[in-house]
Amino acid sequence: NAGVTQTPKFQVLKTGQSMTLQCAQDMNHNSMYWYRQDPGMGLRLIYYSASEGTTDKGEVPNGYNVSRLNKREFSLRLESAAPSQTSVYFCASSAFGTASFYGYTFGSGTRLTVV
Amino acid sequence: SQQGEEDPQALSIQEGENATMNCSYKTSINNLQWYRQNSGRGLVHLILIRSNEREKHSGRLRVTLDTSKKSSSLLITASRAADTASYFCATVWETSGSRLTFGEGTQLTVNP
Repeated sequence: NAGVTQTPKFQVLKTGQSMTLQCAQDMNHNSMYWYRQDPGMGLRLIYYSASEGTTDKGEVPNGYNVSRLNKREFSLRLESAAPSQTSVYFCASSAFGTASFYGYTFGSGTRLTVV
Repeated sequence: SQQGEEDPQALSIQEGENATMNCSYKTSINNLQWYRQNSGRGLVHLILIRSNEREKHSGRLRVTLDTSKKSSSLLITASRAADTASYFCATVWETSGSRLTFGEGTQLTVNP
């Protein structure tokens, strides 16, 4: 099925461990985004990639790094996980210049717990 | 800080009733979008309204936008139990390219 695929769906980390969240889309979209969602809150933008080869910080980038591996894939890395990074992480994509017309397509999320 | 603030935070209605959710924002926007999130799932795009539009319809959904008051409303008519979900407004600022900024959401419960 076409869309945005995130892996893993669930993960438990110990404080200080590192991990990479994977995201891939098969819709030939140019732009990709990483958001986090905390209980009772909306989504906050961590990093985004407007097009292949570019990445920019969003609202809450501290503690994260990203890689736009190619047009399809956009990964999010936690170098040294902290309990404050316990959250649900969503990847999204949009065709270049068309978020204003068609919105984003979201993945189903990665539920991360840091203990 | 969150761009959008939604009201109410939670809404519980009976099947067949209409549900109205409101969203306010702070800066000038290109467009405003509404998304639905079922429990434990990702967000699904519902409808988009551009800054030069005042009202838009899609099936049972009606969205209004008042740029002078920096507010929008989402009306779901003849609600169904399957409409139970969280609803988020999201704005594209004039200066933010294609980035979306989300509100905190309204939890809608439709009782059968």
